[in-house]
Amino acid sequence: GENVEQHPSTLSVQEGDSAVIKCTYSDSASNYFPWYKQELGKGPQLIIDIRSNVGEKKDQRIAVTLNKTAKHFSLHITETQPEDSAVYFCAASKGNQGGKLIFGQGTELSVKP
Amino acid sequence: DAGITQSPRHKVTETGTPVTLRCHQTENHRYMYWYRQDPGHGLRLIHYSYGVKDTDKGEVSDGYSVSRSKTEDFLLTLESATSSQTSVYFCAISETSGMGGELFFGEGSRLTVL
Repeated sequence: GENVEQHPSTLSVQEGDSAVIKCTYSDSASNYFPWYKQELGKGPQLIIDIRSNVGEKKDQRIAVTLNKTAKHFSLHITETQPEDSAVYFCAASKGNQGGKLIFGQGTELSVKP
Repeated sequence: DAGITQSPRHKVTETGTPVTLRCHQTENHRYMYWYRQDPGHGLRLIHYSYGVKDTDKGEVSDGYSVSRSKTEDFLLTLESATSSQTSVYFCAISETSGMGGELFFGEGSRLTVL
């Protein structure tokens, strides 16, 4: 079955710096890759996603890139702010099984003022 | 915020006792899911439902059962709780099962099995 590895597990940056979180997946049939942000005491919330027919997608300060050949995808956050501090999860799914996500282990991002 | 309510939010129980967690939604979404979250494992799918009385297993379904008798309610039952089932449980809903069908998560139910 699918396996998603996420790195790093913790990341600390200064406010205004960029943050990059990387994930690899094992199943070449996976074609949908969302990223979720989880704030303390809350459920995860979708922040951006990418499909396998697209190499990059941006939404304001966040962007996601996908390399299907290497089977890895990354989340980039620019101009980080303290409110970006949270746990971030990558995930993968395939076909019409968008809700049956395989999640990475999570990255705890800390943005220091 | 999506209208998802999980109950109870916190529960402490003893090994061997039955436990039922409830997820209630007001969005009339067809698809509902139960995930568990554990340190070092991210979130893992336990069971999901694609309609009333239609359910299927996820990747970590052993020891769990589910039922969905109404669109709005999805119950997760641990027939005989074990310490390995100590976890935070999240219910999620989606309107579609296809790509881009955003999952909306509840706020979680923290279960401790002593």
